[in-house]
Amino acid sequence: AQKVTQAQTEISVVEKEDVTLDCVYETRDTTYYLFWYKQPPSGELVFLIRRNSFDEQNEISGRYSWNFQKSTSSFNFTITASQVVDSAVYFCALSGSTGGFKTIFGAGTRLFVKA
Amino acid sequence: NAGVTQTPKFQVLKTGQSMTLQCAQDMNHNSMYWYRQDPGMGLRLIYYSASEGTTDKGEVPNGYNVSRLNKREFSLRLESAAPSQTSVYFCASSDQQLVGNTIYFGEGSWLTVV
Repeated sequence: AQKVTQAQTEISVVEKEDVTLDCVYETRDTTYYLFWYKQPPSGELVFLIRRNSFDEQNEISGRYSWNFQKSTSSFNFTITASQVVDSAVYFCALSGSTGGFKTIFGAGTRLFVKA
Repeated sequence: NAGVTQTPKFQVLKTGQSMTLQCAQDMNHNSMYWYRQDPGMGLRLIYYSASEGTTDKGEVPNGYNVSRLNKREFSLRLESAAPSQTSVYFCASSDQQLVGNTIYFGEGSWLTVV
């Protein structure tokens, strides 16, 4: 079975703080992909990143960075110098061949960034 | 830049009423999906269509039906709405139903059943 766990339900930080959103996954697949999506208050779901299971290099995009560690089955997301516009719900997701290639999502972490 | 378009955006139904959520994508994607989002439960797959002419049940299909009208359009029907179907519904699409294909979402439809 595949599973994605985002243990942090809500996180509140003050602007300019760094914040890490945790994502732990379970899969028996050797080939799989991990994703992060952002859902701002307006409600749409915005794709942020996709990472395959063979690439454990960390990725940085501006203030966003992702740390993929197969040894701990984690794919954590860090926002550096958070801004109010980062306030959103963030979803981690997993796609693997088990379960017919369907993408499954974690429950989401709601991030509040206060000015 | 339309991407995935779904209608209506907001709807209030009475218990027992029926309605259809419409979805269309202009990205020439083969696969389409319907998810529902409920507080604390993330997104759960209702139905999906791997390619035109095929549909399959997802995690929570009970109470819903779908139609893949053509490659662009994938509709979700509630035959007899129940309060438990109050949720936000997202249509989505991907190029193929393969491992790792990125799913792109519509803007969501807020449905309340009273």
